[in-house]
Formats: sequence, C-alpha cells, structure tokens
Amino acid sequence: EAGVAQSPRYKIIEKRQSVAFWCNPISGHATLYWYQQILGQGPKLLIQFQNNGVVDDSQLPKDRFSAERLKGVDSTLKIQPAKLEDSAVYLCASSSLAKNIQYFGAGTRLSVL
Amino acid sequence: GESVGLHLPTLSVQEGDNSIINCAYSNSASDYFIWYKQESGKGPQFIIDIRSNMDKRQGQRVTVLLNKTVKHLSLQIAATQPGDSAVYFCAENMGLRDSGGYQKVTFGIGTKLQVIP
Repeated sequence: EAGVAQSPRYKIIEKRQSVAFWCNPISGHATLYWYQQILGQGPKLLIQFQNNGVVDDSQLPKDRFSAERLKGVDSTLKIQPAKLEDSAVYLCASSSLAKNIQYFGAGTRLSVL
Repeated sequence: GESVGLHLPTLSVQEGDNSIINCAYSNSASDYFIWYKQESGKGPQFIIDIRSNMDKRQGQRVTVLLNKTVKHLSLQIAATQPGDSAVYFCAENMGLRDSGGYQKVTFGIGTKLQVIP
C-alpha cells in the first residue's frame, strides 16, 4: 500500500511570497489533515477534510492560509503572503472512517527568509 | 497543546533497558489515545492505541497504560534499541470513534528518547 505523498520536500522563500504544498493521501482514506509542526513542538492541526468538505479549520490563519480538496482526493495548502513565523514542517495525514489512525507523509519543510 | 519551544523533554536510556515515556492529557472527554513515533526528517508513525474503556494494551515490545483518574498515559518500551531513538507523541481523540463522525485529535508536546549504545 502506498503511503501519503507530499511535495515538495523542501521550500525556501522570502517573506511576502506565496507557496503551495501538495498532498496525495492513501487511496480510499476519506479524511485528510494538514498540520503545522514548528521545530521542537508537536503537530498543530490547521485543517481537516472529510471527503471534500471541511470539518475543522478553527486553527487555520484564514487571512493568509487556504486549503482545498477538490474531488475528495488530493489536497493543496497555500500560504499567501508568507511570514517569517510560517517557517515549519507542513505535514499531511490521512485516515479511514473505520479507524482513526492517521498516516503521515514525510512533510514539506518550509523556510521563510 | 502547550509549547516547550526547542527544549523538548528528553529521556536518555541505555540500550537494552526499559523506557517509560509519560504524557498528561487535557480533556476528560477524550475517548481514544494514540502513541506516535517521529524520527528525524519523517512524519509521525503510529505505534499503538488504546480506548478509554481499557487501562492497558500490549504490542510488540510496547505497552500503553492509561490512568483516567489522573488523565495520564504512558508508553513502555521493553529492551530499548538504538532504532527506538525518536520523538514520541501522545495524541488524544475526542469523538465518536466508530460512528464515522468528526473526531478532534490533539497532539501532546512530545518526548525525545535518546538510546545510548
């Protein structure tokens, strides 16, 4: 079974630029999550989708962050414009409805200069 | 959860010894708990889970203990190996696990396990 795929693995941008991350979840997983993990901290949930609907985006900074999951499969997370404090690893995870174990991708490490 | 910045709690153990990693969770309504292992440069990986109606669950070399009275969770690793070196997170779930309904997951701070060869 293929795992959660994320790209790119690394991204370096200057503040005020835009960036987008892509995630392909495990086939058949209805639930998809985006997390922000700052160095030395646990993952913080940004947004959770069930199929192509948002079920929780309470911690998403909506003035600059957006995410979509068209067709209920792949997802993109965008930051526009980026700030220095957005430097972090962005993790995507997916889970099935039957069992809430989240399977994580390797993440995208973002550095904002 | 609370942030400890760059100063993750660290546990150093000798190879072959047993490790015990502790976690305090915040919500008494949490009904499901999971331990994840995160190696450097990788995403968290599922280790073991436990439902709130249990107080102990065993896997291969790992045991999770749940004390709901004091909202405490622990992960015990038997005969710790160098490959066990990683950051360990507990995660608490609130929601109807078997209903397919929305479940809120919150990760703890994390503990760094260093295995000394």
